[in-house]
Amino acid sequence: EADIYQTPRYLVIGTGKKITLECSQTMGHDKMYWYQQDPGMELHLIHYSYGVNSTEKGDLSSESTVSRIRTEHFPLTLESARPSHTSQYLCASRGMDTQYFGPGTRLTVL
Amino acid sequence: GENVEQHPSTLSVQEGDSAVIKCTYSDSASNYFPWYKQELGKRPQLIIDIRSNVGEKKDQRIAVTLNKTAKHFSLHITETQPEDSAVYFCAASGTGRRALTFGSGTRLQVQP
Repeated sequence: EADIYQTPRYLVIGTGKKITLECSQTMGHDKMYWYQQDPGMELHLIHYSYGVNSTEKGDLSSESTVSRIRTEHFPLTLESARPSHTSQYLCASRGMDTQYFGPGTRLTVL
Repeated sequence: GENVEQHPSTLSVQEGDSAVIKCTYSDSASNYFPWYKQELGKRPQLIIDIRSNVGEKKDQRIAVTLNKTAKHFSLHITETQPEDSAVYFCAASGTGRRALTFGSGTRLQVQP
């Protein structure tokens, strides 16, 4: 089934750890995005990609990095997690117009 | 770049009443306007969208209207039900490479 997947769904880690949040989609979309969202609050765009080897920073400053080596895969990496990174991270992909969201990763940094 | 403002931030209605959420956008080149519903703990889901060559679109109890001249668009939910309770986001974008710009969200509570 064509969908967008994120792993892990929940993650609790200690300060200073390096983490990678995985996102993959099976819809063949070129455009992919990462959003940071506190529960029920605004969606903040932190990274986006328009295709393989294309990545850009979004509107919200973030200490994370992304890569796009394959069309279907768009991982987000935090080199050194801090409590301020505690939030939900939503991955999304977009075809011509319609944008689909993944189920999200809820990250807690202690 | 595009700026999208959404009002109200919270809305409480009685079951069976109508609910209206309004958004304004700044970039006259924007031509695609989706609405997303996000239930508690879930991902945002597209519920309806409209393109700039159409003034109104309906899908059962949900409708969206677009006024290109005034640069605003609205979501209308009729005969509201408790399961309509969620956070609703509007968005706007142009075609091609431009990312969606989201409004700040409206928390709708339908009282039984």
